[in-house]
Amino acid sequence: GDSVTQMEGPVTLSEEAFLTINCTYTATGYPSLFWYVQYPGEGLQLLLKATKADDKGSNKGFEATYRKETTSFHLEKGSVQVSDSAVYFCALSDQGGGADGLTFGKGTHLIIQP
Amino acid sequence: GAVVSQHPSWVICKSGTSVKIECRSLDFQATTMFWYRQFPKQSLMLMATSNEGSKATYEQGVEKDKFLINHASLTLSTLTVTSAHPEDSSFYICSANKRGLGLGDTQYFGPGTRLTVL
Repeated sequence: GDSVTQMEGPVTLSEEAFLTINCTYTATGYPSLFWYVQYPGEGLQLLLKATKADDKGSNKGFEATYRKETTSFHLEKGSVQVSDSAVYFCALSDQGGGADGLTFGKGTHLIIQP
Repeated sequence: GAVVSQHPSWVICKSGTSVKIECRSLDFQATTMFWYRQFPKQSLMLMATSNEGSKATYEQGVEKDKFLINHASLTLSTLTVTSAHPEDSSFYICSANKRGLGLGDTQYFGPGTRLTVL
């Protein structure tokens, strides 16, 4: 079956540091890939997505590129802020875009210190 | 916007009782809603897919008689945990699909319901 593996946290960085959260997946076919973010006390929010190989999703300074050859979708940000502190989930969907249920990674807790 | 609400946000019940959790899409119609379960420091696990007007599709290992799902309208799905036991204590999260304009569906998540069974 499908699975998503992401680096376990917590990840603690200083403000303005460079961020990478690794995510790899196994899936049949050509899944769509997502990053969701969960701020304290709130529901999951879609951060970015990519629906085919070599696509780059981007939002709020975050980027991730769909790498089919390495089955990866690593999340990056050049300069993090305290407000980026949250839990980040990598996920995939077999039926592009979310027409079916998502398979999630375990989540990575990101802590940004001033 | 695309807002999904859940009610209640937390509930404590006695073992053997049933608990109903509501999931509503507040500003859009959702033909499909999903129910997930999240254990502490674990991933969200898909429990079932709920389509308006039809029976829910349950993931392998999820007891359909234990977790009753009703999708009565395009804006409401309910999850009823029947004869709850302490091992059912968990964080239950719903999501709803909103059809995009040529971009496929996007799932919008509710804030979750914390269930504690004593």
